[in-house]
Amino acid sequence: EDKVVQSPLSLVVHEGDTVTLNCSYEVTNFRSLLWYKQEKKAPTFLFMLTSSGIEKKSGRLSSILDKKELFSILNITATQTGDSAVYLCAVGGGDYKLSFGAGTTVTVRA
Amino acid sequence: EPEVTQTPSHQVTQMGQEVILRCVPISNHLYFYWYRQILGQKVEFLVSFYNNEISEKSEIFDDQFSVERPDGSNFTLKIRSTKLEDSAMYFCASQVGREQFFGPGTRLTVL
Repeated sequence: EDKVVQSPLSLVVHEGDTVTLNCSYEVTNFRSLLWYKQEKKAPTFLFMLTSSGIEKKSGRLSSILDKKELFSILNITATQTGDSAVYLCAVGGGDYKLSFGAGTTVTVRA
Repeated sequence: EPEVTQTPSHQVTQMGQEVILRCVPISNHLYFYWYRQILGQKVEFLVSFYNNEISEKSEIFDDQFSVERPDGSNFTLKIRSTKLEDSAMYFCASQVGREQFFGPGTRLTVL
C-alpha cells in the first residue's frame, strides 16, 4: 500500500519566518509528487515534481524532490498570515491516483 | 481560468437515501477522480475514470457507489443508500498531464 508521511503535523510561526515542510513516501511505480494548499475547502495546486534535484519556485514558495531518498520539502520564505493553511503532499503512482499525506497545518501569527 | 465545478456545495440527507454529487471537469481533461475527506482526516482516493469507464477504485468504493459521465461534460458520483459514515467532503478532480485540479467540494451530511 502506498504511504505518504508528512512532518511536522503542525507548526506556528511569526510573519517573516521561513518554514520547511517535509514529505516522505513509499509508492509503487512513482510518477509524480504534488503539493497542495488547503484553506477552507478544496486543495489548491501548488507544485508538481517529477525529477530529482530540480527546484520549483513560485514567489515565496519552493519545492524540491529527492527520488533516491524518497522525500520532498516545501519551503515558504517571508511567511505572511495568508500562508496559514494545511499543506498537503500527494504522490501519484502507476495508476495516476493520488495518495495523500495527513497534511501539515501552518499557522502564521502577525 | 478554467476550473472544476461541483454541485451542490452542501447536501444533507437521511440515512438510507440516495444522493448524486455532480461535477463538471475542465473541458479538455481526460482523467477524472473522486476523493473524499472525512472531517479531520486525510484526503482519500475513491475512484478514477478514463475513457468512459472506471480505471481504478479503492476499497471504500463498494457496491453502494457508482460513477458515470452521462453527457460528456458532467461526472457524477452516486451513493445508493447513504450511511452515517459517508458524511464527508467529496472532491472531484480532473487531470491533464500529471496535474490534478480539484473542485471546491460537496459537503455531504448524513443524518
